[in-house]
Amino acid sequence: EVQLLESGGGLVQRGGSLRLSCTASGFTFRNYAMSWVRQAPGMGLEWVSTMSGNAATTWYADPVKGRFTISRDNSKNTLYLQMHSLRAEDTAVYYCAKKGGNSYYVWFDPWGQGTLVTVSS
Amino acid sequence: EIVMTQSPATLSVSPGERATLSCRASHSVSSNLAWYRQKPGQAPRLLIYDASTRATGIPARFSGSGSGTEFTLTISSLQSEDFAVYYCQQYNDWPLTFGGGTKVEIK
Repeated sequence: EVQLLESGGGLVQRGGSLRLSCTASGFTFRNYAMSWVRQAPGMGLEWVSTMSGNAATTWYADPVKGRFTISRDNSKNTLYLQMHSLRAEDTAVYYCAKKGGNSYYVWFDPWGQGTLVTVSS
Repeated sequence: EIVMTQSPATLSVSPGERATLSCRASHSVSSNLAWYRQKPGQAPRLLIYDASTRATGIPARFSGSGSGTEFTLTISSLQSEDFAVYYCQQYNDWPLTFGGGTKVEIK
């Protein structure tokens, strides 16, 4: 069974930094692109970033480009999201998600349970 | 950026009835579209990918159709666990984008 477990969320001041982790099990981690998707309180889903399985390629949403860095350690089956210069609008539950299927395209299956990041002003 | 628009925002349906949800893309996404269901307090779960392929373990009452810019998710007979929020997501182009969601509530 595929399992994704996020950690590292918490309360941080505006302008601060935080690193999220996502530990994966139940599949060959290095073979799959992994992503972060967030959801602000009471709002919809927003894709944040994706990294290819071999870590060679990354994609970022414009609101986080230059502030967030996605990375992975395939020896530890772990995905990371380093967040800097945090803003109030970054407050959200952050989900880790495995790429579904085996094609080039990225949909999300499954998702972790999420970790809450709260940026205080 | 491809903008995804879902309608209606809220759909009131009685248990056992059919629900039809719409998703429109601002530019063609071919068949590169997924649907997710999110129950309160839970992470989203994949229902449909490639516009019409049910994900593993998803019951046959869920069906997806469409291509290009117009897509539909149909739930043939609503069960209690189906009262939730549904999102569409395009993966034809970067950035990946979601629709704003349709909340299916009990009538």
